[in-house]
Amino acid sequence: GAVVSQHPSWVICKSGTSVKIECRSLDFQATTMFWYRQFPKQSLMLMATSNEGSKATYEQGVEKDKFLINHASLTLSTLTVTSAHPEDSSFYICSARDPGTSGYEQYFGPGTRLTVT
Amino acid sequence: AQSVTQLDSQVPVFEEAPVELRCNYSSSVSVYLFWYVQYPNQGLQLLLKYLSGSTLVKGINGFEAEFNKSQTSFHLRKPSVHISDTAEYFCAVSDQGSSYKLIFGSGTRLLVRP
Repeated sequence: GAVVSQHPSWVICKSGTSVKIECRSLDFQATTMFWYRQFPKQSLMLMATSNEGSKATYEQGVEKDKFLINHASLTLSTLTVTSAHPEDSSFYICSARDPGTSGYEQYFGPGTRLTVT
Repeated sequence: AQSVTQLDSQVPVFEEAPVELRCNYSSSVSVYLFWYVQYPNQGLQLLLKYLSGSTLVKGINGFEAEFNKSQTSFHLRKPSVHISDTAEYFCAVSDQGSSYKLIFGSGTRLLVRP
């Protein structure tokens, strides 16, 4: 089946620094990737849709200058949390759409636990 | 706008008992429906999906779900659960448009007891 990886799996950073999270589709080309945020014991909140070669589309209320998304290739999307603060601590999950199937299924990465101190 | 409702935040059940996790959705357009499972500190794994055709959908790990258009429901069932089924289960909907976005329910924690 389709495999999506994320790196790193967990990261601790100091307040004010920036952190980059990578999302890769390992065995398919993903024209569209999605970034979600999940708070403890809550559902996934879609942050943005990342399309290869174009600007990301952010959901309402998501600061595009704080959460920079780049989708430079068909297998890699990155999320950079800029000037991180403790309230940015969360579980970030990416997913990728495999256009080779129905196109509506999303395959999820294992997630990245970000802790800002 | 679409929405997904999972009324049960937690469902406790004994091992080998049957279980049903409820999911209702609202949408003004035709939808695709999904169930995902999340184990602690992991991403989501697709259990099953309804795109078209038979309304009874079979997935992995012995799970199945039935799409009921008149009741706008997509309940997940398993005839006999195992301890290893303890996890968080999310129902999700995507409209048949071009955004491919998934809208998730709030999740149901299935707790299987010995």
